[in-house]
Amino acid sequence: GDSVTQKQGQVTLSEDDFLFINCTYSTTTYPTLFWYVQYPGQGPQLLLKVTTANNKGISRGFEATYDKGTTSFHLQKASVQESDSAVYFCALGMSNYNVLYFGSGTKLTVEP
Amino acid sequence: EAAVTQSPRNKVAVTGGKVTLSCNQTNNHNNMYWYRQDTGHGLRLIHYSYGAGSTEKGDIPDGYKASRPSQENFSLILELATPSQTSVYFCASGDWDRSSGNTLYFGEGSRLIVV
Repeated sequence: GDSVTQKQGQVTLSEDDFLFINCTYSTTTYPTLFWYVQYPGQGPQLLLKVTTANNKGISRGFEATYDKGTTSFHLQKASVQESDSAVYFCALGMSNYNVLYFGSGTKLTVEP
Repeated sequence: EAAVTQSPRNKVAVTGGKVTLSCNQTNNHNNMYWYRQDTGHGLRLIHYSYGAGSTEKGDIPDGYKASRPSQENFSLILELATPSQTSVYFCASGDWDRSSGNTLYFGEGSRLIVV
């Protein structure tokens, strides 16, 4: 079945460090891959999405791409700030489905 | 202003009692969803709906019912609440797009504690 795996449960960085979070997915169709961000006390909100393999999604300094060959997709940012501290979820959606499948989330803590 | 609003935001219920979580959206989206969020599990889909009068089971529907009386409103009902249903519940709305599937817009969550 369709699924997404996010293994990094927690990541702690210092300001200006490079961020890289990875997810893997499994599906037999052509997916759109999403990154959602959840700040404390709030619901998740869309950060960016990538509809085509090897294309790049960009938002608020974050970039994401996905690789059909390795069925993986990642989120990266060149220089994180304390305000980026949040939980980041990857999610898998298919063009013929109305449902999103979420990973288990990565809690990012950025120390000053 | 918030387009997906949930009520109540916090609730303490007793085991065996009935709990109703309500969700209202002003996005005019056809689809609405209920997820629960637990540490280590991320967001798990309980029920969803394609429009007024429809409800569909998600991945973890046992112990939950859903009701979609109108385009704007979607409720999650726990007829006999159990401590294992202690969690944070999120409602979301969204519409299907041919090229990219579905983008969801979430409410701020309802924290339920069952004692």
